[in-house]
Amino acid sequence: KQEVTQIPAALSVPEGENLVLNCSFTDSAIYNLQWFRQDPGKGLTSLLLIQSSQREQTSGRLNASLDKSSGRSTLYIAASQPGDSATYLCAVLTGANSKLTFGKGITLSVRP
Amino acid sequence: EAQVTQNPRYLITVTGKKLTVTCSQNMNHEYMSWYRQDPGLGLRQIYYSMNVEVTDKGDVPEGYKVSRKEKRNFPLILESPSPNQTSLYFCASSLEGARGRGYTFGSGTRLTVV
Repeated sequence: KQEVTQIPAALSVPEGENLVLNCSFTDSAIYNLQWFRQDPGKGLTSLLLIQSSQREQTSGRLNASLDKSSGRSTLYIAASQPGDSATYLCAVLTGANSKLTFGKGITLSVRP
Repeated sequence: EAQVTQNPRYLITVTGKKLTVTCSQNMNHEYMSWYRQDPGLGLRQIYYSMNVEVTDKGDVPEGYKVSRKEKRNFPLILESPSPNQTSLYFCASSLEGARGRGYTFGSGTRLTVV
């Protein structure tokens, strides 16, 4: 059974800091990995999607990497801003039923 | 605008009163799915549908029903809601099982059962 882990559960950093959010998964037989952002009580916004054959994807200040063989992904946020404060969720797609398995998320707080 | 639309956004109901949460997508996606999100437990899949008239159970299907009569709609039905179904619910859709472009999620429905 696929399990996705995100540690730590919460992170607080000062504005301007570069930071890395980690995600690990137990079954490397994935189709892709998706990073989402969720603001409190709100929906999920897709940030980046990495296919299993890719190593990384970039969008603006965000860069996500994937090491499928070791079961790891990182989300790099450059020059963090207070507006980046949110919960970041990692999810992997596996199986014939195209199931998304989520980590429990990392709640990020960027202090002005 | 390409989107997944859920209704209602907020709902408070009483135990045992049947309710339906609607989900509609305008992207001609084959695959649709329902998740619930609970503190400490994260997002868990309730049901999914790979195409019209094809539905199957996810990880936590007990107490829920779904139907997929049309490609664009995938309603979630709670025949007899109970307080343990108080949760934040999300509908999601994707093209060809998300292997290419990933999932698009609705804005969520916050359900409270008293």
